Amino acid sequence: QVQLVESGGGVVQPGGSLRLSCAASGFTFSSYGMHWVRQAPGKGLEWVAFIRYDGSNKYYADSVKGRFTISRDNSKNTLYLQMNSLRAEDTAVYYCAKDLFWFGELCPMDVWGKGTTVTVSS
Amino acid sequence: EIVLTQSPGTLSLSPGERATLSCRASQSVSSSYLAWYQQKPGQAPRLLIYGASSRATGIPDRFSGSGSGTDFTLTISRLEPEDFAVYYCQQYGSSPPQTFGQGTKVEIK
Repeated sequence: QVQLVESGGGVVQPGGSLRLSCAASGFTFSSYGMHWVRQAPGKGLEWVAFIRYDGSNKYYADSVKGRFTISRDNSKNTLYLQMNSLRAEDTAVYYCAKDLFWFGELCPMDVWGKGTTVTVSS
Repeated sequence: EIVLTQSPGTLSLSPGERATLSCRASQSVSSSYLAWYQQKPGQAPRLLIYGASSRATGIPDRFSGSGSGTDFTLTISRLEPEDFAVYYCQQYGSSPPQTFGQGTKVEIK
């Protein structure tokens, strides 16, 4: 079945770095754009970043622009989020999610992982 | 950036009742690129509606979406026990960021 599994979360000090991964299975990963969305404790959803199915276009929320980098390896069916210069306000559950339409861009998200928790604290 | 404002913040209803959730955009949402998601505690969001009114795969027909421009509505015709959750609207499409509303909690009265 279609599945997304995030990993790489943990506790990191302010200013530190972390790389999240999202392993995809059950669908043709290379045909779909992918997103990262986060949710701070007790808060709502915040879209973080998007990468086109072929990696040619990337978009970021202003809150992470210049600090986070989204990438993908279609040969490994894996999505990544490199997070640098982490701040306390980056503390959240990070979800990866799949675009609804193949070969689309910035579509609704129809499949979500269970999320991985990132805590930025000294 | 398009700001989405959802109302009410909390809706207290009984099973079997009708729920009407509102999502208002700060500017017109192009091509009705508006989606609704449901999230239960400890779970990832689930796509319910896209294109303002199209139900996602497997979504029961008691869920319906309507609206255009800046005003959108999610209606749950008859609340089932499993429908008590938080609902988010989201605008998507060609202009990032893909913003979400702050959410409406539907709770059991």
